[in-house]
Amino acid sequence: GDSVTQMEGPVTLSEEAFLTINCTYTATGYPSLFWYVQYPGEGLQLLLKATKADDKGSNKGFEATYRKETTSFHLEKGSVQVSDSAVYFCALTTSGTYKYIFGTGTRLKVLA
Amino acid sequence: DSGVTQTPKHLITATGQRVTLRCSPRSGDLSVYWYQQSLDQGLQFLIQYYNGEERAKGNILERFSAQQFPDLHSELNLSSLELGDSALYFCASSVGAGSNEQYFGPGTRLTVT
Repeated sequence: GDSVTQMEGPVTLSEEAFLTINCTYTATGYPSLFWYVQYPGEGLQLLLKATKADDKGSNKGFEATYRKETTSFHLEKGSVQVSDSAVYFCALTTSGTYKYIFGTGTRLKVLA
Repeated sequence: DSGVTQTPKHLITATGQRVTLRCSPRSGDLSVYWYQQSLDQGLQFLIQYYNGEERAKGNILERFSAQQFPDLHSELNLSSLELGDSALYFCASSVGAGSNEQYFGPGTRLTVT
């Protein structure tokens, strides 16, 4: 079945460091890919998305490129801030199904 | 603020009891999704409704049920509660039934004692 695999956390970085959170997927068909962020005590918020191969999603300095050849959708940010500390979830959905599949989440801690 | 509301925010109850969690989707959204988030199992999709009809089922226990009403709000009913049902329960909504981004509510924290 369809699945999403994320790197284990927590990821701890200093402010202004470069961030990569790896996400790979397995899916039949052509999935849409998403990154959601969950700040402490809150629900998930959509961070960015890509709906077809080679699309790049971007928002708030975060980027991720839909790589069909490597079945990946890694999240990157050039310079993280303390306010980016949160849990990040990679997710997919495939057309014709109605299920969202989320990864296990990666906790990011950014230290001042 | 996502526009999705959930009540109550916190719920504490005893084993064996039954509770109802309520969700109001964003204005204009026809789909409602329910998720369970626990420390050991992460974010688990439970069930989806689209315009009043069940559309997809995930890892939902038989003790749990849900429905979506004509005004599009949804309720998740949890019965014969066990300690392991303690978790955060999120509702999300989207415009359509398929590959659309979801907007999450703030969640209901259920504690079963």
